[in-house]
Amino acid sequence: DTEVTQTPKHLVMGMTNKKSLKCEQHMGHRAMYWYKQKAKKPPELMFVYSYEKLSINESVPSRFSPECPNSSLLNLHLHALQPEDSALYLCASTLYPRPVSSYNEQFFGPGTRLTVL
Amino acid sequence: EDKVVQSPLSLVVHEGDTVTLNCSYEVTNFRSLLWYKQEKKAPTFLFMLTSSGIEKKSGRLSSILDKKELFSILNITATQTGDSAIYLCAVEGLRTGMRFGAGTRLTVKP
Repeated sequence: DTEVTQTPKHLVMGMTNKKSLKCEQHMGHRAMYWYKQKAKKPPELMFVYSYEKLSINESVPSRFSPECPNSSLLNLHLHALQPEDSALYLCASTLYPRPVSSYNEQFFGPGTRLTVL
Repeated sequence: EDKVVQSPLSLVVHEGDTVTLNCSYEVTNFRSLLWYKQEKKAPTFLFMLTSSGIEKKSGRLSSILDKKELFSILNITATQTGDSAIYLCAVEGLRTGMRFGAGTRLTVKP
């Protein structure tokens, strides 16, 4: 199993809703990442978890709340989002926390396309 | 502030042409530079470069890094329509996660 799965594929939510994005990998990877990608823009790093602990938070607003319940699972809890938060949310993982390399390839999930109304 | 700049932003060529994509960067405590190909969804990894002057090759794709001048190039020879994609350059610093450039949108026409 060499893939990262994300659910749901698409999500539409209102500004008062609470929802969660889920990411899962069963490759034994010890680092997991959340990226946000707006249309026609490159991915922007949001959070990095290393050995189930948050190691990087790129000054992301508190309406995004990550959680890593175990080494295979990464969640992103969403609350009181704004329409400008609409984007593709990508999850990724690497075997070792860093750096990304030919021996430590970063695998991306297919993403969740989020629309905030 | 860390910066990754790719050029050109967009490129249209015909099958069989050779293309060169550029990536220049400024990053504190450089660790590695990576190239990704992004088609419809998630980026897929192409190359990781850490040392200057050592060419990495994979089929028709090759890449090289110049750490003195702070840039990398990605070459694609004998392009095919399947090479049409956005090519992303990302740089990793010692204390930061990956910073992506804006990408180069390559279109290969038959």
